[in-house]
Amino acid sequence: DVKVTQSSRYLVKRTGEKVFLECVQDMDHENMFWYRQDPGLGLRLIYFSYDVKMKEKGDIPEGYSVSREKKERFSLILESASTNQTSMYLCASNQQGSEAFFGQGTRLTVV
Amino acid sequence: TQLLEQSPQFLSIQEGENLTVYCNSSSVFSSLQWYRQEPGEGPVLLVTVVTGGEVKKLKRLTFQFGDARKDSSLHITAAQPGDTGLYLCAGASNAGNMLTFGGGTRLMVKP
Repeated sequence: DVKVTQSSRYLVKRTGEKVFLECVQDMDHENMFWYRQDPGLGLRLIYFSYDVKMKEKGDIPEGYSVSREKKERFSLILESASTNQTSMYLCASNQQGSEAFFGQGTRLTVV
Repeated sequence: TQLLEQSPQFLSIQEGENLTVYCNSSSVFSSLQWYRQEPGEGPVLLVTVVTGGEVKKLKRLTFQFGDARKDSSLHITAAQPGDTGLYLCAGASNAGNMLTFGGGTRLMVKP
C-alpha cells in the first residue's frame, strides 16, 4: 500500500513558536506538496518541491519555509507561528502529472 | 497562478436526484483530476482526464474535460447518501509539476 505519512494528526502551539510539520512518502515520488485547507477556501498551495533541495513557492508562502534534504521527506516550517496559521495542513506527493497521494492531514491550532 | 473555480460551493439534494459540479479556469491544463475527500482524511483520486473533449464514466459518475482543456464537469446520476463528501478538481500545469486545486464542492445527499 502506498503511503504518505504526516508526523502528527493534531498539534497545538503557542504564538511565536517555531513549528515543524514532517511528511514522508514511500513511493519514490519526485514531487511533494504542502497545502493548507480552510473552510470555503479549498486547498491552497504553500510550497512544492520537484526534487531534493529544490523548492518553489506556491500561492501563499508567506510565513512558511520548507526543507527537502531527502527525496522521501518534505518538511514545512512555521518560523514564528501566528493565530492566522491555525488550519488543516495536507502533504501530498506524485510523479509528474499523475495521481497525488495525500497524508491524513495535521490539524494545527495556534493559541 | 492558475486559478480553478468550482461551482456550486455547497449542494444539498435528496437521494435519487442528479447533479453536476463545474470546474472552470481561464488557463489550459495538461490534465485535470477529480478527488473526493471525507472528513478527517486526505483527498482520494476519482479520475484523471487528459484529452480535450474526453468523457470518462465511473459507475454513476461521469467526468468531462472541455475541448480547450480549461474546464471540466462531474455529473452524478441518482445520487446516494454514500456520495456525500467534498469534491475537488485539480489541474496539472503544462510542466506537469504543479497541482492547483479548486475551492471544492461540498455535497450532502439526504436519504
